[in-house]
Amino acid sequence: DAGVIQSPRHEVTEMGQEVTLRCKPISGHNSLFWYRQTMMRGLELLIYFNNNVPIDDSGMPEDRFSAKMPNASFSTLKIQPSEPRDSAVYFCASSPRRGGGYTFGSGTRLTVV
Amino acid sequence: AQSVTQLDSQVPVFEEAPVELRCNYSSSVSVYLFWYVQYPNQGLQLLLKYLSGSTLVKGINGFEAEFNKSQTSFHLRKPSVHISDTAEYFCAVTPGGGADGLTFGKGTHLIIQP
Repeated sequence: DAGVIQSPRHEVTEMGQEVTLRCKPISGHNSLFWYRQTMMRGLELLIYFNNNVPIDDSGMPEDRFSAKMPNASFSTLKIQPSEPRDSAVYFCASSPRRGGGYTFGSGTRLTVV
Repeated sequence: AQSVTQLDSQVPVFEEAPVELRCNYSSSVSVYLFWYVQYPNQGLQLLLKYLSGSTLVKGINGFEAEFNKSQTSFHLRKPSVHISDTAEYFCAVTPGGGADGLTFGKGTHLIIQP
């Protein structure tokens, strides 16, 4: 099992540009989560999906952020337009529907200049 | 809603000494509890988890934690630490069932001194 796969590992972009982060969950996991990690705010849950359906997006900071899960093996987190304060490490995690087996990807370090 | 408090932002310990990292949680429902470790510039790795059953949970790398419902605590312990244990440790909680997201504490930076 390759685990949760995120791409890219690092992204540097200019303010105002669109950024797309990608995640491939573990096969068979029904739930997918997007987190953001910053020094100031720690680890924050942005949004999560169960069976490809968004369940709770209350953590998404602004309308500039959007997430999709078109199928069970792929999800994207998009920021449009990006701002310097979006600079953070973004983690994707997946889990079976029940049982608390959360597995995290290696993260995408986003820098907006 | 749940919340997690990690009482120490930084814990310095000498190598081969024991360590305890404290975690308290707040929840109106039953919960699952987790400890994750994050090494510099890496993702989060699961150390151990409590879902139900025995309140003493053993994890990887010699770590263990004890769930105390009356004190709403889930402290992490290791009897003898090594330089390689230097990392950030996060306590996390989710409502029982594990279908929702994790709520994390702010983290404790464990510093092992030679």
